[in-house]
Amino acid sequence: ILNVEQSPQSLHVQEGDSTNFTCSFPSSNFYALHWYRWETAKSPEALFVMTLNGDEKKKGRISATLNTKEGYSYLYIKGSQPEDSATYLCANPSNAGGTSYGKLTFGQGTILTVHP
Amino acid sequence: DGGITQSPKYLFRKEGQNVTLSCEQNLNHDAMYWYRQDPGQGLRLIYYSQIVNDFQKGDIAEGYSVSREKKESFPLTVTSAQKNPTAFYLCASSLITGGPEAFFGQGTRPTVV
Repeated sequence: ILNVEQSPQSLHVQEGDSTNFTCSFPSSNFYALHWYRWETAKSPEALFVMTLNGDEKKKGRISATLNTKEGYSYLYIKGSQPEDSATYLCANPSNAGGTSYGKLTFGQGTILTVHP
Repeated sequence: DGGITQSPKYLFRKEGQNVTLSCEQNLNHDAMYWYRQDPGQGLRLIYYSQIVNDFQKGDIAEGYSVSREKKESFPLTVTSAQKNPTAFYLCASSLITGGPEAFFGQGTRPTVV
């Protein structure tokens, strides 16, 4: 994996369904993996920053796991609600070739629509 | 309240005219970024800056210029050479590059008239 890739591109679920999406990223020189939620007409907001292999983070009904060795992260939403409708982005900081971690590279996002 | 402010929200410009988008943050963040979103595509990095008076090109820097004269400010100039002037532009900042989460502005959408 050379870039950050997310799947699926879009997802339609019914209220109450549980769902999950995937983010794949380069496993070499791993530093961190970010998840963001971007609601329409608002700014993207950070959900999780994950750094350790095997890490699992939770915020309410949303949780995320991280596998740095194979280069993927899953985002889970339990009991989806209409207010969960948003674009979910993952991002991976890549080494700019120097001593600091430069570019924050985003996946193309997963658009989630939760129908009442 | 601390935050990141982009202005203007909408910007109308004449064809062939350069425009400058403002991005200001009062979060005391060292790193700032400009992203562009085109319909059906994800956020792509235009430029980023890790420290005052220094910045690096991102993946789609052609047709853009930036400056970082102050820690709080990272303006982006969209030149007339930029072929897709109606994309959506997002500014972001973070404490340092890469590790902590980024904070985003509300975005600016230029329109060519």
